[in-house]
Amino acid sequence: AQSVTQPDIHITVSEGASLELRCNYSYGATPYLFWYVQSPGQGLQLLLKYFSGDTLVQGIKGFEAEFKRSQSSFNLRKPSVHWSDAAEYFCAVAATGTASKLTFGTGTRLQVTL
Amino acid sequence: DTAVSQTPKYLVTQMGNDKSIKCEQNLGHDTMYWYKQDSKKFLKIMFSYNNKELIINETVPNRFSPKSPDKAHLNLHINSLELGDSAVYFCASSHGGDADTQYFGPGTRLTVL
Repeated sequence: AQSVTQPDIHITVSEGASLELRCNYSYGATPYLFWYVQSPGQGLQLLLKYFSGDTLVQGIKGFEAEFKRSQSSFNLRKPSVHWSDAAEYFCAVAATGTASKLTFGTGTRLQVTL
Repeated sequence: DTAVSQTPKYLVTQMGNDKSIKCEQNLGHDTMYWYKQDSKKFLKIMFSYNNKELIINETVPNRFSPKSPDKAHLNLHINSLELGDSAVYFCASSHGGDADTQYFGPGTRLTVL
């Protein structure tokens, strides 16, 4: 079965600084990979997803993620963080052919200081 | 218009009671889901329905029973509520295809006293 690890529980960055959130997955083949964001008291919103093709994926709100098969990673990046990016970020994986069944990581809480 | 809506937003109840949470989506999707998010923010799928048929049924106590009266609705009924059922429950929907995005509702915070 697939699994996801987000090693950082909590990250604090200054507004305007760059951001990288780590995500490692475990799955025997090429998985489907997702990043979701959850603002306080809200549901989850998809930032971006990787299914195949170009390993650098662009998403909404200026985020991007890079799929690295050799490292089993799918790290999320943003070159310049805004205060409104403060939220909980979840990486998720689904086995190929079963995009319905998402397995989520434990999340990384992002705090942005002004 | 809200794409995926849930009612109620908050639910506070006593142990042993029976309660329901309702979910509706107006996206024309064929597949709907229920997730549970615990106090540590861990999110885990519980059920999934496709065209009113149950397709995912994770290891969930049989006190939890999903019901899908039509493609646009997926309700969650919980019998004999326990303290450990306290969590945020999210509904989601998607087309159900192989490369598809799930759209989440705002969540229902259930507190069992």
